[in-house]
Amino acid sequence: DTGVSQDPRHKITKRGQNVTFRCDPISEHNRLYWYRQTLGQGPEFLTYFQNEAQLEKSRLLSDRFSAERPKGSFSTLEIQRTEQGDSAMYLCASSFVTSAETQYFGPGTRLLVL
Amino acid sequence: AQKVTQAQTEISVVEKEDVTLDCVYETRDTTYYLFWYKQPPSGELVFLIRRNSFDEQNEISGRYSWNFQKSTSSFNFTITASQVVDSAVYFCALSDGGSQGNLIFGKGTKLSVKP
Repeated sequence: DTGVSQDPRHKITKRGQNVTFRCDPISEHNRLYWYRQTLGQGPEFLTYFQNEAQLEKSRLLSDRFSAERPKGSFSTLEIQRTEQGDSAMYLCASSFVTSAETQYFGPGTRLLVL
Repeated sequence: AQKVTQAQTEISVVEKEDVTLDCVYETRDTTYYLFWYKQPPSGELVFLIRRNSFDEQNEISGRYSWNFQKSTSSFNFTITASQVVDSAVYFCALSDGGSQGNLIFGKGTKLSVKP
């Protein structure tokens, strides 16, 4: 297995535009997590899925953010009406369903909002 | 509330020196899990170790070792005979034993190993 993959790796957009990121987890993993990491900080939890169900959302996830995992495989994270404060690295991770199993991370999508 | 503190923002050492990265955590849970991840300049977080709260045995993996002490709520990471390739940001993270499993990360320690 090739691990967690994310696309695109880099995205530059203008304020007010919508962007969508994709994450493909390790194939046998049931859980998929999204994190956001700003410069000089550790990753912060945004949301997670168990199979296709979105089970938890952080208060960091404003109404402009939406995530889906329609068939329990890949996931998308969409940001509508982007703001400069959305500039960050968006990280995806996957794990087995048992709580506190090790999460394996993808390479991230670096977003820059101009 | 859960919290992870990595007080060392940056550390610089010369190759072959030993270096210890500190991690202090806070949690009210009796069951929890601690992790260390490495983030090289490429950006991808690489898993290093997972330890549960009931296992206080220290662990050694090659040049890496981890010291878990519940009495001081610390989970420190030592690199012996550091190498330039060890240069990266290292994150300590905490997860509770509940059903959610999301990780609480510290702010990271940037390690620079100079030749």
